[in-house]
Amino acid sequence: KAGVTQTPRYLIKTRGQQVTLSCSPISGHRSVSWYQQTPGQGLQFLFEYFSETQRNKGNFPGRFSGRQFSNSRSEMNVSTLELGDSALYLCASSRDRAGYTFGSGTRLTVV
Amino acid sequence: DQQVKQNSPSLSVQEGRISILNCDYTNSMFDYFLWYKKYPAEGPTFLISISSIKDKNEDGRFTVFLNKSAKHLSLHIVPSQPGDSAVYFCAASVSAGGGADGLTFGKGTHLIIQP
Repeated sequence: KAGVTQTPRYLIKTRGQQVTLSCSPISGHRSVSWYQQTPGQGLQFLFEYFSETQRNKGNFPGRFSGRQFSNSRSEMNVSTLELGDSALYLCASSRDRAGYTFGSGTRLTVV
Repeated sequence: DQQVKQNSPSLSVQEGRISILNCDYTNSMFDYFLWYKKYPAEGPTFLISISSIKDKNEDGRFTVFLNKSAKHLSLHIVPSQPGDSAVYFCAASVSAGGGADGLTFGKGTHLIIQP
């Protein structure tokens, strides 16, 4: 059974650019959540999508957005990148929101 | 304001002994708690969870204890093995469904199992 797949694994962007990260959940999982991990703040909840609708949102600025497609795949977009956006971005999928399986993450470096 | 706290950034335990990782929380609305294990360059891997209606849950070498009155939970690993060396995250949510704020994570404890 394939796990949660995140692409790309690594990304380097310049300040002011935008970036799109992709997450393919486990087959049958309809909930996809995104988290940001930084050394200072730890793992922080960004948002959750379920059946193409954003169900919950964490305390992040509007530069962070996402969407979910009909096949449950999700994308996360960050516009006008700042140095502080450098982080590991993790996606987690769930069938029933009781157990979350994480992907390996996308390491974003903003220079 | 950190709602989930893991006060020990690191813990060193001898192989074969018991590892005890601790976690405290402040939000009394949390009613579902999870432990995740993370290796470098990988995503967190789910270990074990516990609902607030229980005070103990066991799965093989892993046992989680919940003390609601103290707002404290702990993960016991017995016996500790070299492969257990990793960063362990405690997470909490309002309802098993992740609630409106998703999972709230502690900052992790780096467990080192010494041979």
